[in-house]
Amino acid sequence: ETGVTQTPRHLVMGMTNKKSLKCEQHLGHNAMYWYKQSAKKPLELMFVYSLEERVENNSVPSRFSPECPNSSHLFLHLHTLQPEDSALYLCASSQGWASGYNEQFFGPGTRLTVL
Amino acid sequence: AQSVAQPEDQVNVAEGNPLTVKCTYSVSGNPYLFWYVQYPNRGLQFLLKYITGDNLVKGSYGFEAEFNKSQTSFHLKKPSALVSDSALYFCAVRDSSGTASKLTFGTGTRLQVTL
Repeated sequence: ETGVTQTPRHLVMGMTNKKSLKCEQHLGHNAMYWYKQSAKKPLELMFVYSLEERVENNSVPSRFSPECPNSSHLFLHLHTLQPEDSALYLCASSQGWASGYNEQFFGPGTRLTVL
Repeated sequence: AQSVAQPEDQVNVAEGNPLTVKCTYSVSGNPYLFWYVQYPNRGLQFLLKYITGDNLVKGSYGFEAEFNKSQTSFHLKKPSALVSDSALYFCAVRDSSGTASKLTFGTGTRLQVTL
């Protein structure tokens, strides 16, 4: 699984820290996504970038700030998080966003723990 | 609004027996349907999808799924289960008629295959 990489794989941070999650896709896709995966809950779509423009922002708190500098890279900047933000954060990419029929390719995720 | 239901939190199967993981969906238009699998400490991997055409879709690792429009179902099946199939399985749906509608995931079904 080297198509979509995520760093770090594990992150422990205090509520006052600032950290960033990084995602890189090597598949030549033009859409990238951030999801939050919590136990016993469906995957929650957080943000979507298509052609480097944000096209979806699902009522995510402002303490999460995405950045897409180019079609291969996606960041999630974190600041003043809450313990309930502890989860697995998954990055994904796909070819095309609007068409909807192309499958998404996921990275291994970053396991985030907020103390 | 679109939704996905995976009625079973866990499915237990003996190796060599057939397996079925259930999924029902609700969309206002025609659905695009997907199955993903997640192994421990890994991201989601695409298994198969239904877009249009033949109701029986074949995917990776010997899995298949049958689209049933009247029952709004898309159950995942495999004729002979392997211990290595043990993982978390997610069904997902997207409305083909909505412009850039998001992919909605179910809560997941844990498949346990035993010797």
